[in-house]
Amino acid sequence: GQQLNQSPQSMFIQEGEDVSMNCTSSSIFNTWLWYKQDPGEGPVLLIALYKAGELTSNGRLTAQFGITRKDSFLNISASIPSDVGIYFCAGQETSYDKVIFGPGTSLSVIP
Amino acid sequence: DVKVTQSSRYLVKRTGEKVFLECVQDMDHENMFWYRQDPGLGLRLIYFSYDVKMKEKGDIPEGYSVSREKKERFSLILESASTNQTSMYLCASSSDRGYTDTQYFGPGTRLTVL
Repeated sequence: GQQLNQSPQSMFIQEGEDVSMNCTSSSIFNTWLWYKQDPGEGPVLLIALYKAGELTSNGRLTAQFGITRKDSFLNISASIPSDVGIYFCAGQETSYDKVIFGPGTSLSVIP
Repeated sequence: DVKVTQSSRYLVKRTGEKVFLECVQDMDHENMFWYRQDPGLGLRLIYFSYDVKMKEKGDIPEGYSVSREKKERFSLILESASTNQTSMYLCASSSDRGYTDTQYFGPGTRLTVL
């Protein structure tokens, strides 16, 4: 079945640093989603992307829908301790298809 | 605020026991989902439901069943729990099948099968 790959698997960064992570797929997706899971909680949607090349921001977070439609990127600027968590990418081939989740990138921020 | 609640945060059961995980959402959402989350594997869809009394298999339905008798409640059933079903179970709901709508997740139930 479809699979998503996320890179890196985990990151340890200093507070204040910028963070970049990405997600790749073997299939073309029409929608890319980025979720964050805080420790002990369920995932929460951060950003949704619907068009190839689209760049969308949510505060210090910026995500891009890759032009090949097979990848997406998430950047976090000036990280803070509450950015700690697992970041999942997710995608859909069409709006009627199941959402496929990636394995996650675990982010740790050192104060 | 949308709220998805799960009946237990932590559960410990023995091999062979029948296990019920309950999920309730308060936003009148049509769609409800059950995922399991394992390290390095992300979220894998077990079952989902687009309407009352309706269910569809996800990617890993084996060993599980579900029940949706009321719109707000979606139950996951492990008929005979096994150790390889030790995992974090997440329930989610969303409002419209035809669009990419936000899935709202519950806090999860960490199930340990001994």
